[in-house]
Amino acid sequence: DAGVIQSPRHEVTEMGQEVTLRCKPISGHDYLFWYRQTMMRGLELLIYFNNNVPIDDSGMPEDRFSAKMPNASFSTLKIQPSEPRDSAVYFCASTWGGLEAFFGQGTRLTVV
Amino acid sequence: GESVGLHLPTLSVQEGDNSIINCAYSNSASDYFIWYKQESGKGPQFIIDIRSNMDKRQGQRVTVLLNKTVKHLSLQIAATQPGDSAVYFCAETNTGNQFYFGTGTSLTVIP
Repeated sequence: DAGVIQSPRHEVTEMGQEVTLRCKPISGHDYLFWYRQTMMRGLELLIYFNNNVPIDDSGMPEDRFSAKMPNASFSTLKIQPSEPRDSAVYFCASTWGGLEAFFGQGTRLTVV
Repeated sequence: GESVGLHLPTLSVQEGDNSIINCAYSNSASDYFIWYKQESGKGPQFIIDIRSNMDKRQGQRVTVLLNKTVKHLSLQIAATQPGDSAVYFCAETNTGNQFYFGTGTSLTVIP
């Protein structure tokens, strides 16, 4: 398996634009997590899904953020409109329900 | 809410020496504690976990110690190698589904 795949690896966008981050979890994993990483706040859990259903989105910072998982092999995290303070590295991770979460390489988002 | 933090943001050790990375947590209800390693430009990678009813667990060159009395967790790396240079995070969970990470400790191994 290629592991968790995220795209794009880097994204630079202007403030106010819509940004969509994508994730393909490991096949067979039924939990998917979206994290945001910054120097100041570390790794923050934004939302997680179980069997494609959002279970806890309490970490989503604002209504500007939304996440979907239309099927077991794909998830998106959307920011609309984007703001400079959204600049961070966004990670997707998946697990089969155990303790070992498998992380993707991350998407480095820069909003200017 | 849960709070997981680290005592030291950076740590430098000589190659071949042992490293000790510390972590404090505040949620007594957490069932598991986990250590992750993050190399530059990569996502975190699982190292080892320990259940709350244990006080020590050993892996390959790594040992995790849990002191529930003072809510303290440590990761010991034996014979530290240049490849161990990374940021190390502790995380806690009481569901196995939601993991709460600390801010990380940057380990630099000096050749």
